[in-house]
Amino acid sequence: EAQVTQNPRYLITVTGKKLTVTCSQNMNHEYMSWYRQDPGLGLRQIYYSMNVEVTDKGDVPEGYKVSRKEKRNFPLILESPSPNQTSLYFCASSPWGANEKLFFGSGTQLSVL
Amino acid sequence: KNEVEQSPQNLTAQEGEFITINCSYSVGISALHWLQQHPGGGIVSLFMLSSGKKKHGRLIATINIQEKHSSLHITASHPRDSAVYICAVTSLDRDDKIIFGKGTRLHILP
Repeated sequence: EAQVTQNPRYLITVTGKKLTVTCSQNMNHEYMSWYRQDPGLGLRQIYYSMNVEVTDKGDVPEGYKVSRKEKRNFPLILESPSPNQTSLYFCASSPWGANEKLFFGSGTQLSVL
Repeated sequence: KNEVEQSPQNLTAQEGEFITINCSYSVGISALHWLQQHPGGGIVSLFMLSSGKKKHGRLIATINIQEKHSSLHITASHPRDSAVYICAVTSLDRDDKIIFGKGTRLHILP
């Protein structure tokens, strides 16, 4: 089944403890991206990648890192999480770019205490 | 002012009614997306538009590039259509970044 898989679904952590949220797609898509969703602010783009080894900042990249070493995976890394990064995170992919249909993962609810 | 504005923010309607959700944007775009998010659920792409009109079942999406406006219509609405509908644009002005509206919360009463 074609899908975007995010893990974990829920994560509770403490300030400063490095964490990684994984995102994997099995559709051979070139484009992958990360978003956070907050009440009253909606969805905002964190980082995106047009291809392997190519990443670009979205609107809210501060405090996050990404890597795209292989086409199928696009992990989101929080080196030193802070409470203001408590949010619902979504990964998405599309065949070639952001002007094509997006396929979303099921989301990761992160709480930083 | 937000670059992508949706209206209304909230909408409650009776089953069977014709629903319209509007999206206006202020940037140059290469694509406009309509997304659906059910409570506690993930996000599903309904439409991706760059011009004209698209139809899928009871859903119709239109876009007017000159007026920088798009509408999402739902015909014969049903309680299972209750969800948040999100408009998003792929911005030409900002290196293909995606900018989202804040969403329209739709509640269809049986």
